[in-house]
Parts: sequence; C-alpha cells; structure tokens
Amino acid sequence: GIQVEQSPPDLILQEGANSTLRCNFSDSVNNLQWFHQNPWGQLINLFYIPSGTKQNGRLSATTVATERYSLLYISSSQTTDSGVYFCAVGHNNNDMRFGAGTRLTVKP
Amino acid sequence: EAQVTQNPRYLITVTGKKLTVTCSQNMNHEYMSWYRQDPGLGLRQIYYSMNVEVTDKGDVPEGYKVSRKEKRNFPLILESPSPNQTSLYFCASKVWDFDNEQFFGPGTRLTVL
Repeated sequence: GIQVEQSPPDLILQEGANSTLRCNFSDSVNNLQWFHQNPWGQLINLFYIPSGTKQNGRLSATTVATERYSLLYISSSQTTDSGVYFCAVGHNNNDMRFGAGTRLTVKP
Repeated sequence: EAQVTQNPRYLITVTGKKLTVTCSQNMNHEYMSWYRQDPGLGLRQIYYSMNVEVTDKGDVPEGYKVSRKEKRNFPLILESPSPNQTSLYFCASKVWDFDNEQFFGPGTRLTVL
C-alpha cells in the first residue's frame, strides 16, 4: 500500500512565526487531505487538495502530485494552531492512508 | 447541520463485554468508514462500506465487526473487547467516488480494562 511520511514529527514555534509541514507519499494519488487534530481530539478538515494550491486565511497548501508531495503552510501562527496535523492520501480505492502526523506547539 | 455523529463519546468497559459504537451521517453519503488512532501511528482503517450491505476490511479488522443495513448508519461492533482495543475511534463518510473529501465524526475514546 501507499506509504505516507510527514515531517517534521514535532515543531515548536513562537506565536507569529511561519511554518511549513511536509507530506511525502510513495505512489500516485487522486485524493489528499490535510487535517488538524485539536487538543480535544477532534479532526478538522483543512484542505482537500489532490493537486494544485489552495489558501484559506493564514493557511495554504500545495500538492505536487507528479513529485509525490504536499506542503502545508501556516503563517503568523497562533496558539490555537497547536495540535497535530495529518496528511491522508488515497489511490483508486476507498481507503485513505494517514501519515503519523506533525505535532505543532505554538508558544505565546 | 451536515455532520457525522458517534455515540458514545467516551466508554470504559471490561474485557469480553460486547459493545457497539454507533455512527450516523446526515449527508446521504454512500461511503462510510471506521478508523482507530493510536499514539504515534496516525489513523488506521478498520472497515469501510461503499453502500448499504457492502462492507470490506481495512488494514486492522481483527476483533471488529460492522454492518450497513441503512445508508445513514454504520455501527462498529466489538464482540469480545480486549485491552489492545483501547484506542480513539473515528467514523467518517464521503460521497462514494474516489476523489472526494472525507468528513470525520468527533471520535469515541474507548478504554478496555
């Protein structure tokens, strides 16, 4: 099956800093999502982005499907951005493979 | 409001006592799925269903059962829970075809003593 690797595994930032999270995958995909898991455990959809670039406020994401990676950008980070960020991918079937996540801590 | 709901949200039980975690969606989605999340492992798929009466195993189906008798509901059944099934469980749904966004429920935190 598809392997999904996320980096870095942990990231600590000061409030206001920018960051880039990376997701590498081992095969072609036609489904890719980024999620934020908040400290209460809820999974929040950030982006559905199998290819191209999207932006939503301070967050943006880019997927380069031909090179098998996706990037999540967080600008002007806030303490409420803390949590775990997951990348999940799918390829021609109906299961999605999740990476192990990047744990982000934003300090005030 | 479009949503996926799960019940219960928290459950502490004992080894061997059968339990069911319910999942319901109001978006008329064909596809539903169950995942478990364990520390450091991300989410792993347990079972999925592409429509009523159609279910299939995911990566970690051992010890679980599912049924899909109605489009909106997809219960997860643990016939004889064991401590290694202590985990955070998520239900998800989406429109059937491959490239569509998946929506997750709030999670059920299960502890098996």
